[in-house]
Amino acid sequence: DAKTTQPNSMESNEEEPVHLPCNHSTISGTDYIHWYRQLPSQGPEYVIHGLTSNVNNRMASLAIAEDRKSSTLILHRATLRDAAVYYCILRRSGGSNYKLTFGKGTLLTVNP
Amino acid sequence: EAEVAQSPRYKITEKSQAVAFWCDPISGHATLYWYRQILGQGPELLVQFQDESVVDDSQLPKDRFSAERLKGVDSTLKIQPAELGDSAMYLCASSFLTSGGATDTQYFGPGTRLTVL
Repeated sequence: DAKTTQPNSMESNEEEPVHLPCNHSTISGTDYIHWYRQLPSQGPEYVIHGLTSNVNNRMASLAIAEDRKSSTLILHRATLRDAAVYYCILRRSGGSNYKLTFGKGTLLTVNP
Repeated sequence: EAEVAQSPRYKITEKSQAVAFWCDPISGHATLYWYRQILGQGPELLVQFQDESVVDDSQLPKDRFSAERLKGVDSTLKIQPAELGDSAMYLCASSFLTSGGATDTQYFGPGTRLTVL
């Protein structure tokens, strides 16, 4: 599986936008880019996913570079409830095993 | 909103004892996953079920771990005997798509925190 690289930690202020980067230079054409987050003492939760085009949902936006070697998760207005570990994960279509391969993720701290 | 249920939430045991964790996925979800998460790391897949069949158990330490999903609904993960290194969070997740898919969402339960003394 292609690997992803994320910063270990990032800090933001409440109500400001947050841009969480992810590098995936060995991504293949059939790899989807997924983001999950894990709040303290909880299981991970799905945030967003995309293939080539930028995506928006109620939680966040996903900006994908034209060459797909990097992507950015955008939280438009961070709140204290957004403090979590954010995981960028690649999932390849085809086959029968769609496990999520987690790295260490980025620990986001949101300051009041 | 439907959720994945897990019990117990916390378990403390002594090494060499047996422990078991239970997971009830979201109704209608054919795929069930067990992950283990060591403190400070991301979750790692132990076993994946499609209905009652094992799809992937390549990372399951089969000398001491076992998992079953007899009727294709709820599932049990067992450790016997427990070792100190098994202290971790055990997470269950489920997803809907029966044929798998790179776009299906996995829904996680709250996990079971295991401490082995």
